[in-house]
Formats: sequence, structure tokens, C-alpha cells
Amino acid sequence: RKEVEQDPGPFNVPEGATVAFNCTYSNSASQSFFWYRQDCRKEPKLLMSVYSSGNEDGRFTAQLNRASQYISLLIRDSKLSDSATYLCVVDDFTSGTYKYIFGTGTRLKVLA
Amino acid sequence: EAQVTQNPRYLITVTGKKLTVTCSQNMNHEYMSWYRQDPGLGLRQIYYSMNVEVTDKGDVPEGYKVSRKEKRNFPLILESPSPNQTSLYFCASSLPGGERNEQFFGPGTRLTVL
Repeated sequence: RKEVEQDPGPFNVPEGATVAFNCTYSNSASQSFFWYRQDCRKEPKLLMSVYSSGNEDGRFTAQLNRASQYISLLIRDSKLSDSATYLCVVDDFTSGTYKYIFGTGTRLKVLA
Repeated sequence: EAQVTQNPRYLITVTGKKLTVTCSQNMNHEYMSWYRQDPGLGLRQIYYSMNVEVTDKGDVPEGYKVSRKEKRNFPLILESPSPNQTSLYFCASSLPGGERNEQFFGPGTRLTVL
């Protein structure tokens, strides 16, 4: 099983749609969770951190389910500019290491 | 402007010719890291550094070296590049590792080893 797993997509959705992505992780000791956005061939940029109680930033909502070891990202009222690859990131701070594990990304295309 | 810079942005080289990719940040960040990104494999961490003179292996360190002599710089060294190191490389920095800190990424270096 991969340490961090995402559905690669692509998710093709019309403008205005609501879309949700899930990401599963294998390390039950992980404490930090993030969603990054990456535009084609550009550097990843933080979209939002994911907190235990869930958090919202405008049209974006992130949730963490520790029992089932997954995090989710919900995008409401999709815009054309939301088209990108969304990367799930989980920490691996076990055994004295301070590493980050990235999922392979979920590609979103918002269609006019 | 707060940023992470990498040089060169593009590099084509031949097998066995030593090269260095530089990375510099101006945010006084303690934590710095190198990743490589390959189709279908996502970003994988090569090496990271918690602070000056403190470096450690990530998940794919073979064939790479790093150093952290100054806080702002974290060069990636390929002593004898091979074609399987052809990839897109990103440097990143953040406030101390071990906390929920945002990583800031450089623009990437596209390396081709022939």
C-alpha cells in the first residue's frame, strides 16, 4: 500500500460544480496534513493545512478523518482558475525523521 | 520579496559529469529540502536539512549529496549523474521541521542526463 494515495483523476467538472477529493495515508502517527496546488510544470503552493476539527477557506473545505486515515478537500462553486493538480501531503516524523510524503496528485479540470 | 531561488532552471548534461544545483532562500528558514518529481510517482523527498550542518536522508537519497554550510543555501550535488536522475527537481524551505509549517518551493530545475 502506498504511504499516501490519491485518485489521479482527471476530474472534469463544469464551472459552478462542487467537487471532492480524498487522500488516504498509511502512517497512523502522522500529525500534519496539507493540501498543495500545483499548476502545470510549476512549483507546488500551499492551498491549506488540514486541522483535526476541519477547516474552511472561502470555497475550500478540508476535513481529516483519523479513524479511517484519510483527508478530503471539497471545492464549491468551481472556477476555471481552479484547474490544477491537487497534492495531498502528510508528515513522517517517526523514528527521529522529519520527512514529508506527497501523494501523486489529483488532476482537476474545470470546464466552461 | 520572500522567495526560494534555484539555479540553473534547465540543464542538459551527460552521464558522469558532476553537477550542482543551487538553492537559496531569503526567509531565514531553518528547514530546507530537495524533492524530485517524476510522472506517476509524484514528489519524492531526496534530502532535508533541519538547520546549518544538520542534514538527513529522505526517501530517495541514492546518487545525491547535499550540504548546509549557511542557513540560506542548500545545494544539491550529483557526483556522477545517470539517466535515471533525469527529473524535475524542487527545493523547498520552511520554518522549523516537525511543526505544521508551510513549505515554500523554488521554481524547479529540469534536469536531463544523457
